[in-house]
Amino acid sequence: KAGVTQTPRYLIKTRGQQVTLSCSPISGHRSVSWYQQTPGQGLQFLFEYFSETQRNKGNFPGRFSGRQFSNSRSEMNVSTLELGDSALYLCASSAGLAGGPSSYNEQFFGPGTRLTVL
Amino acid sequence: GNSVTQMEGPVTLSEEAFLTINCTYTATGYPSLFWYVQYPGEGLQLLLKATKADDKGSNKGFEATYRKETTSFHLEKGSVQVSDSAVYFCALSGGSYIPTFGRGTSLIVHP
Repeated sequence: KAGVTQTPRYLIKTRGQQVTLSCSPISGHRSVSWYQQTPGQGLQFLFEYFSETQRNKGNFPGRFSGRQFSNSRSEMNVSTLELGDSALYLCASSAGLAGGPSSYNEQFFGPGTRLTVL
Repeated sequence: GNSVTQMEGPVTLSEEAFLTINCTYTATGYPSLFWYVQYPGEGLQLLLKATKADDKGSNKGFEATYRKETTSFHLEKGSVQVSDSAVYFCALSGGSYIPTFGRGTSLIVHP
């Protein structure tokens, strides 16, 4: 099986711009979660999508949003970029269970998108 | 809120040494506990997990036991190899818990 893929791998933006990151989960996985990883804050949960619905959300401002498509691919958008948004953004997929949050299932992480905001 | 605390790194060991990376957590109820490993330039990989008290997770010679009484999930390996050099993350999640990760502990193993 192909692993989780994220595009692009590297991105450079300037303050005030917006950015869209893409994640393709493992085939058959219906849950996609997004994380922000920084040296200062470590790994922080952004949100989780399951069957095109956001099921869980971390403590991030509304500038961070996401969506999931019917093929389970997911995109994450950050608007009005700030310097502090520079980070590695990781996507993780899991098979999920229809009855509730899938976070206890094994998560498979992609290699991440390195975003630099200048 | 929930939190996970890991020992600060880097941890530097010689090959074949014994490894312990401490992890304690704060959460109401009984989350599932995980150890993930991140090799340079790669995403995180699940190393092992435990879903209830007294469970022992093990994989590739690593093991950790879910200790409810001490709210701990320490990672151990009897004999480390150079190839174990990576960053190790302790995490909790499950049910209604938002996934929460520790800050990561860098392990450096010298030949």
